Amino acid sequence: LAKTTQPISMDSYEGQEVNITCSHNNIATNDYITWYQQFPSQGPRFIIQGYKTKVTNEVASLFIPADRKSSTLSLPRVSLSDTAVYYCLVGPFGNEKLTFGTGTRLTIIP
Amino acid sequence: DAGVIQSPRHEVTEMGQEVTLRCKPISGHNSLFWYRQTMMRGLELLIYFNNNVPIDDSGMPEDRFSAKMPNASFSTLKIQPSEPRDSAVYFCASSLGVGRGPQETQYFGPGTRLLVL
Repeated sequence: LAKTTQPISMDSYEGQEVNITCSHNNIATNDYITWYQQFPSQGPRFIIQGYKTKVTNEVASLFIPADRKSSTLSLPRVSLSDTAVYYCLVGPFGNEKLTFGTGTRLTIIP
Repeated sequence: DAGVIQSPRHEVTEMGQEVTLRCKPISGHNSLFWYRQTMMRGLELLIYFNNNVPIDDSGMPEDRFSAKMPNASFSTLKIQPSEPRDSAVYFCASSLGVGRGPQETQYFGPGTRLLVL
């Protein structure tokens, strides 16, 4: 599985847009990029998944450049409730196993 | 749907005792996963089942750990005997488990917080 690298922590103020970038230099052709969110004292929760270009849902957007060696999770207008750990995962089509790295601990400041 | 259900939510036990954690996956899901989370090691996959059959148990730390899935709606993770280093939050997750698409979404339970004294 491709190794991922993310910042250990980030701080942001309420109302701002937050971008968390994940590096995955050795991503394979059939790998997908998935992001999970984990609130304190809860299990991780799926946020978004993509293969290339841009994906958007009601929670976030995911930007993937043409070379796919990195991806950026974008959270629009964050609030205090977005304080969580965000994990970037890379894995192949049909893969069932998830390998979680250390994630990015995002703290939203009032 | 109630989501993935785990019990107990909290468990405090003494070293040497047997601990049994329970999980009920989402109805209709074919795959079930057990994870362990600690500050030092993060979130680790211990074992996963597909259609009640263990597929990969390479993450099970040692023989003291065992997991079963007697039917599609129930799984247990047992630690016998327990040790203080087993203290962690144990999560159960389930997914559709059809394996024909991108990485399938896993739905996590609330976790069991285990403390072994």
